[in-house]
This record gives sequence, C-alpha cells and structure tokens, in this order.
Amino acid sequence: GAVVSQHPSRVICKSGTSVKIECRSLDFQATTMFWYRQFPKQSLMLMATSNEGSKATYEQGVEKDKFLINHASLTLSTLTVTSAHPEDSSFYICSATRTGVPDTQYFGPGTRLTVL
Amino acid sequence: TQLLEQSPQFLSIQEGENLTVYCNSSSVFSSLQWYRQEPGEGPVLLVTVVTGGEVKKLKRLTFQFGDARKDSSLHITAAQPGDTGLYLCAGVHLRYTGRRALTFGSGTRLQVQP
Repeated sequence: GAVVSQHPSRVICKSGTSVKIECRSLDFQATTMFWYRQFPKQSLMLMATSNEGSKATYEQGVEKDKFLINHASLTLSTLTVTSAHPEDSSFYICSATRTGVPDTQYFGPGTRLTVL
Repeated sequence: TQLLEQSPQFLSIQEGENLTVYCNSSSVFSSLQWYRQEPGEGPVLLVTVVTGGEVKKLKRLTFQFGDARKDSSLHITAAQPGDTGLYLCAGVHLRYTGRRALTFGSGTRLQVQP
C-alpha cells in the first residue's frame, strides 16, 4: 500500500505557457502533500507543503504566484507552473503522508518538465 | 535553516568493495532517513533511524545514527552494481508551522563497476 502517482511523467512546453502536474495518493488519504524540485545532479529541495482544503505553505524563495498549488481533496494535489520559462525546467516530485505516520513520506515517481 | 552535508559527493568503486557515506549537520533531528534514488524516479525509503546511537542493518547496508542525533552514516559491504544510485539522507524536523518536514542532504552518487 501507500502508492503515490504523478501525471504526466514528462512534459515539454513552450516558454510562457502554463503546465499542471497532478499528484495522487492511490490507496490512502493523504493528510499532507509536499512538492519538491530537483535540478540535475542535485538533491531535492522542498518547494511547498499543502494540506487538503487550506492554502499551501511555501518555502522561502519560492514564488507562490508562479507555482500554484491546489489540494482539493485528500487524494489529489496539483502544481501549476504558470508562465513557465526555461529556468523552470526541472524534475518535480511530490510526496504524501498518511494519518498516524507523519514522518513517513511516500514519494511519487516525479515529473520531468522541459521548457523550450 | 537545517543543512545536511553528505560526503563524498561522488564515489566510483569496483564490485565487492566496501564504502561508507556520511551525513553531517549542526542541527539535531528527531529522526533521520536514508533514501536511494534511481535516475528519473522518485526516492525510495531505505531506513529510518530514531534513537541516538541506533544501528540498523538492511542486508549489506548498515545505518548508524550519531549519539547526538546530528549525523549519520551508511556503510555498504561488498557493493554490487545494483547498489548504483543516488543516496540521500533526510532529517525530520519540526517546522515553524508546527508540522514535520524533511530536509534532504546534498546527496552521494554511487557507481559500482562490475
């Protein structure tokens, strides 16, 4: 159990367009979901934390108007990269925690975003 | 800001050799986790260590949490090509929001040559 999926797995878009990435917990209800960004050969950097029905908490330096996070249900969170630019090209990974196990994050397979 | 430094950053060894990866911080963590990540995939949890001085073994992998809960090490015995990947430590800590979060280390890229 505790499977997290992401869609799409890869996306290529033109500069200036918006891209939506979905993160779903398939077999459990996620109390909290996290969004990370990982640049090539680097570690994961936390972008934001979201809880169902409330506003996301963004990390310092992450523009909330550029990276829109919606957590409409206990099994779905979306990250929308608005007006994407080449420097937004990265590997975006989500994770989710479940009730009673707050220290264990179940990671999705990631989404590779390439902005041309 | 909690920072986790890993060393070495990159390690290339021959099959059968032993290796140790270190994860160090000046901050105390309530627990520390180790992950392995393959290219193009999300990280996979290997172990969580909670108690200072704790040692956990997972087949050929031995994990140790420092007594002060600020550092950790991962030792691999008789490395195999299947051990190749990015190894990440991550500290669990309480944020100002009152919620727990993970801070990931800088990562160690391991390559095991057959």
